[in-house]
Amino acid sequence: TAGITQAPTSQILAAGRSMTLRCTQDMRHNAMYWYRQDLGLGLRLIHYSNTAGTTGKGEVPDGYSVSRANTDDFPLTLASAVPSQTSVYFCASRLANTGELFFGEGSRLTVL
Amino acid sequence: AQSVTQLGSHVSVSEGALVLLRCNYSSSVPPYLFWYVQYPNQGLQLLLKYTSAATLVKGINGFEAEFKKSETSFHLTKPSAHMSDAAEYFCAVSLQTGANNLFFGTGTRLTVIP
Repeated sequence: TAGITQAPTSQILAAGRSMTLRCTQDMRHNAMYWYRQDLGLGLRLIHYSNTAGTTGKGEVPDGYSVSRANTDDFPLTLASAVPSQTSVYFCASRLANTGELFFGEGSRLTVL
Repeated sequence: AQSVTQLGSHVSVSEGALVLLRCNYSSSVPPYLFWYVQYPNQGLQLLLKYTSAATLVKGINGFEAEFKKSETSFHLTKPSAHMSDAAEYFCAVSLQTGANNLFFGTGTRLTVIP
């Protein structure tokens, strides 16, 4: 089974450009999340969605936006990238009855 | 507010030796606690979780963790390290299984020396 699929796996982006990181799940989980992982800081929540049609802000939402048009897809958009957004981004979904998160393999973004 | 502290960003053990990765949490209410493992260039995967049932929790790959309320700890152990255990390990806390957020620790990188 695919689980969580993220694209692209890696991207170099010029500062000021926009970028959308794609995330698709095939497990029909209601809740989905975007985290960024930075050395020494662990994982920090950017945005989340408890169900299709709803989204919420996490710990570090500034500079990012999300949408949740359907259950399967949860794209993350950087409207105008800045170097501090250089990071590895992980999409995850949650199995409701156990709370377990399932992660994609990450998207490595470098903003120059 | 809830948070976790992982003591030691790097831990090295010899193959066959005991693995002990430390995690302390703070929470205003009884927490749900998780350990995740991340292998190189991969996402995180669940090792084990504590959700207010048995205090000693067994996970995959021979790992276990014990919830100690008096010490606010949830340390991860494995009796005998294997080379394949080399990875980064994250402790995480949540107020409930359905919470909007898991708060992750900063991670501990485990190196296994042959």
